[in-house]
Amino acid sequence: DVKVTQSSRYLVKRTGEKVFLECVQDMDHENMFWYRQDPGLGLRLIYFSYDVKMKEKGDIPEGYSVSREKKERFSLILESASTNQTSMYLCASSPGLAGLKNIQYFGAGTRLSVL
Amino acid sequence: RKEVEQDPGPFNVPEGATVAFNCTYSNSASQSFFWYRQDCRKEPKLLMSVYSSGNEDGRFTAQLNRASQYISLLIRDSKLSDSATYLCVVNMGSGGSNYKLTFGKGTLLTVNP
Repeated sequence: DVKVTQSSRYLVKRTGEKVFLECVQDMDHENMFWYRQDPGLGLRLIYFSYDVKMKEKGDIPEGYSVSREKKERFSLILESASTNQTSMYLCASSPGLAGLKNIQYFGAGTRLSVL
Repeated sequence: RKEVEQDPGPFNVPEGATVAFNCTYSNSASQSFFWYRQDCRKEPKLLMSVYSSGNEDGRFTAQLNRASQYISLLIRDSKLSDSATYLCVVNMGSGGSNYKLTFGKGTLLTVNP
């Protein structure tokens, strides 16, 4: 089974803190993704990476950055956390395949509260 | 038009009922389609891929109509364990964004005893 592991289930941070969310996958997948999920807004893509050291902006990259130094690890960074970044953060990975094999597998999520 | 639009729900049905979810997508060049399921406070998980000719997996049937840009999911003989949010998911990408998936906001289903 594919396993995507997020380092924390719950996190509480203060406004202005630098926050690191870590994600590790064990299936040698090429692609990794960070989403946030908010009530009424669904899943929104923040950043994704299709190769080591490669990254592309998603739909809502403002206030976030990412790092992918190793294939299995994709980090989401909040440079200066703000209260509007309180959310559920979900990491996903997928193999570098097209069509119906392009399935994303999700981690359990990190619920971040910024006070 | 929203990229991926679903029935907002919520759907409340009795056990044993048949329920259908609909989804439309805006990009006619979209390549692949999926239904994901998300239980309360859990991560989304793949329920089934949607094949062009339609496909069935036990009590679940998925259909795709490319001309109308429409996807459906039918659940027969609903069980209490089917209670979840169902997400319509579309791959609209091309080139470097070919691996991106676009998620609908989901439809909440509650199956009642």
